[in-house]
Amino acid sequence: QVQLVQSGAEVKKPGASVKVSCMASGYTFTTYDINWVRQATGQGLEWMGWMNPNSGNTGYAQKFQGRVTMTRNTSISTAYMELSSLRSDDTAVYYCTRASSGYNPFDYWGQGTLVTVSS
Amino acid sequence: DIQMTQSPSSLSASVGDRVTITCRASQSISSYLNWYQQRPGKAPRLLIYAASSLQSGVPSRFSGSGSGTDFTLTISSLQPEDFATYFCQQSYSTPFMYTFGQGTKLEIK
Repeated sequence: QVQLVQSGAEVKKPGASVKVSCMASGYTFTTYDINWVRQATGQGLEWMGWMNPNSGNTGYAQKFQGRVTMTRNTSISTAYMELSSLRSDDTAVYYCTRASSGYNPFDYWGQGTLVTVSS
Repeated sequence: DIQMTQSPSSLSASVGDRVTITCRASQSISSYLNWYQQRPGKAPRLLIYAASSLQSGVPSRFSGSGSGTDFTLTISSLQPEDFATYFCQQSYSTPFMYTFGQGTKLEIK
């Protein structure tokens, strides 16, 4: 069965960077785009960007341009999202999700990774 | 950027009720509209894709309709496990620039 398993919770200081991993199994990793979505406590879903695991091509929401980098290691079917220059308002749960073909719905989600930014 | 507006932002209903949630796009998105359910502490779950297609494993009491700018999610007969937050999402923008609605919290009356 398809699974996306994310790395564990992180606590970072303001100005630091965080790198979250997302390991895919149960399907061919290079076939579907991986997207990252975050959610602050009690808030809505915020789309951050996408990555094509086959080509490595990426696209980022304007809000995160210059601060986010999405990469992958196809040999271990793992996607990564690195966010730099962290601020307290980056405290959120970060999800990786697979975009299915056709109308690109996000059909499988990781369990989420809590990133806490605090001095 | 395409903005997505959901209404209402919260809704109280009883088990067995029929409920409808609305999502409006700031410009036409054809049928590139998806609906998700999120229970507290859990990742979102895809319910409806392409405006009206039911995701595998989702109960048939969930249905979606609409095209262009106006869309609805309907739950025909609320079950206890349906009390959750619902989000719409557009997947129309090219290059990819997905956006979510702000969410609708469905609570027990």
